Amino acid sequence: DAGITQSPRHKVTETGTPVTLRCHQTENHRYMYWYRQDPGHGLRLIHYSYGVKDTDKGEVSDGYSVSRSKTEDFLLTLESATSSQTSVYFCATEGGRNTIYFGEGSWLTVV
Amino acid sequence: TQLLEQSPQFLSIQEGENLTVYCNSSSVFSSLQWYRQEPGEGPVLLVTVVTGGEVKKLKRLTFQFGDARKDSSLHITAAQTGDTGLYLCAGPSPSSARQLTFGSGTQLTVLP
Repeated sequence: DAGITQSPRHKVTETGTPVTLRCHQTENHRYMYWYRQDPGHGLRLIHYSYGVKDTDKGEVSDGYSVSRSKTEDFLLTLESATSSQTSVYFCATEGGRNTIYFGEGSWLTVV
Repeated sequence: TQLLEQSPQFLSIQEGENLTVYCNSSSVFSSLQWYRQEPGEGPVLLVTVVTGGEVKKLKRLTFQFGDARKDSSLHITAAQTGDTGLYLCAGPSPSSARQLTFGSGTQLTVLP
């Protein structure tokens, strides 16, 4: 357990509205990640962060932005939600020896 | 196209049976990881294999990394209902070692 808390855990939103998902960690891990999980695609990396204000794009970053103003918080923002962004979103952190810890997920439905 | 192909996609077996699931790629990986994910939860790391030909055991689970480091297998002996879950393999992305690329998983159901 790496002390990862995601919020909200479940959200239904309308197309075109902005949405922010929050990831909070208590282990002071430097690296943090946002993944989305969809049937048939496994987990795909959206964005990751390697320190405060240091972020980079992942495999499926279009339509998403992130911010990390504090070590413990990593925010994922959908600027204008679309139905294709309906998914389960997982935050993860990296501990020692490339050990990745995942949060419990945020279920987002865009209608 | 997935860089890591997992098979089978779905597997349903009776408690007590043995099973093997596979993770294959045409690319060489410096390491591969196996995760188990239960419904409504995030994946949990089971093991990391780093050396070609390496075998690691975790109770009834045996993990093997192929000699050429392009594939891996997970064998479960005498499956239990608690083994039910989605098994995912993952390895460092070719574009960045800091990024993991995942297979799409094997959904295992162990029936009582």
